[in-house]
Amino acid sequence: GNSVTQMQGQVTLSEEEFLFINCTYSTTGYPTLFWYVQYPGEGPQLLLKVTTANNKGSSRGFEATYDKGTTSFHLQKASVQESDSAVYYCVLGDNNAGAKLTFGGGTRLTVRP
Amino acid sequence: EAAVTQSPRNKVTVTGGNVTLSCRQTNSHNYMYWYRQDTGHGLRLIHYSYGAGNLQIGDVPDGYKATRTTQEDFFLLLELASPSQTSLYFCASSDALGGSTGQLYFGEGSKLTVL
Repeated sequence: GNSVTQMQGQVTLSEEEFLFINCTYSTTGYPTLFWYVQYPGEGPQLLLKVTTANNKGSSRGFEATYDKGTTSFHLQKASVQESDSAVYYCVLGDNNAGAKLTFGGGTRLTVRP
Repeated sequence: EAAVTQSPRNKVTVTGGNVTLSCRQTNSHNYMYWYRQDTGHGLRLIHYSYGAGNLQIGDVPDGYKATRTTQEDFFLLLELASPSQTSLYFCASSDALGGSTGQLYFGEGSKLTVL
């Protein structure tokens, strides 16, 4: 089956610092890759989609890239703000798996003012 | 934006108890999903459905039943609840294959505690 691994369970930064979160995935199908964000007390919401056409995606100041050779994708932001504090999930979709999405374990980002 | 409403938001039951979690979406989406969220495991798919009367098995279905009674309503049933089912449950919906668009709309979650 499909799997997604996020090695960083928790990241703490100060405002204006650089964010980098990495994920690896495993699939036998044709992957589509996403990042979701979950703010406290809310359900997860789609942050961005990484298109395999150009191996990139971006939204709200976040950028994501994808490396098919190492089956990894990562999320980065040049300068985080306190409002970015949330849990970030890397997510794998598989065109062979229909409607199913596979979520990583999540990375809790805390940004100190 | 899609609206997904879950009830109850908080539930406490005892081992062996019977629990039903309800989910309603108001945007005529075809697909609905039940996930559980646990620290370190992220979100794991329990069951999903692509229409009234349809049910698909997810990745962690053991101990759970589900039923899609209408296009709007999707229920998760725990007939003999166990402490291992203590979790935060999320319902979601989408208007296309989630695997290709990634756009799922989630409810606010139902926290279940099994004593």
